[in-house]
Amino acid sequence: DQQVKQNSPSLSVQEGRISILNCDYTNSMFDYFLWYKKYPAEGPTFLISISSIKDKNEDGRFTVFLNKSAKHLSLHIVPSQPGDSAVYFCAASEAGNMLTFGGGTRLMVKP
Amino acid sequence: DVKVTQSSRYLVKRTGEKVFLECVQDMDHENMFWYRQDPGLGLRLIYFSYDVKMKEKGDIPEGYSVSREKKERFSLILESASTNQTSMYLCASSFSPGDGYTFGSGTRLTVV
Repeated sequence: DQQVKQNSPSLSVQEGRISILNCDYTNSMFDYFLWYKKYPAEGPTFLISISSIKDKNEDGRFTVFLNKSAKHLSLHIVPSQPGDSAVYFCAASEAGNMLTFGGGTRLMVKP
Repeated sequence: DVKVTQSSRYLVKRTGEKVFLECVQDMDHENMFWYRQDPGLGLRLIYFSYDVKMKEKGDIPEGYSVSREKKERFSLILESASTNQTSMYLCASSFSPGDGYTFGSGTRLTVV
């Protein structure tokens, strides 16, 4: 049973517009959430994280929103750039235990 | 910067061969992980290790084994490679299990 789900396998956005990537989870005990970005032929790199005591965390063009009641988090990229084209994974952990990853969403930003 | 180095970027092996994938990290991390990434399936955990000589099975350990003789090195072994093990293999390390992981660049393994 997948505890972390990214229901959209792919997303296409025009350059300059907002990209919204979504992630749902089922384990209400998850208390730390992360987003990773992965380019082809490279390993995933850490992008941004959020603790369950917050509902928003911002880093430049990237903002993560957490809705605990809905067990939903989202990553907003504004404005989107062609270099943002990659696969994005969300991940979650409970009480410092191992990360559980979602299946990934491929973002394509068109010039 | 934390570095996780995987010894090969691309490998082509024959069915039935024994394959070794090596991973080295330079930040004295306790925890190391092996994942495989396949289209539509995301990142699936094969094995992890939280200390030298310690190992735990992940979600898909069948057909694989691991070795951690030194803290900095975590090896993934395909005992007898099969075509369904063609995949991107990713090694990662972290200070504690729930910390952000640092990943290596990956090894694209093709079994023919």
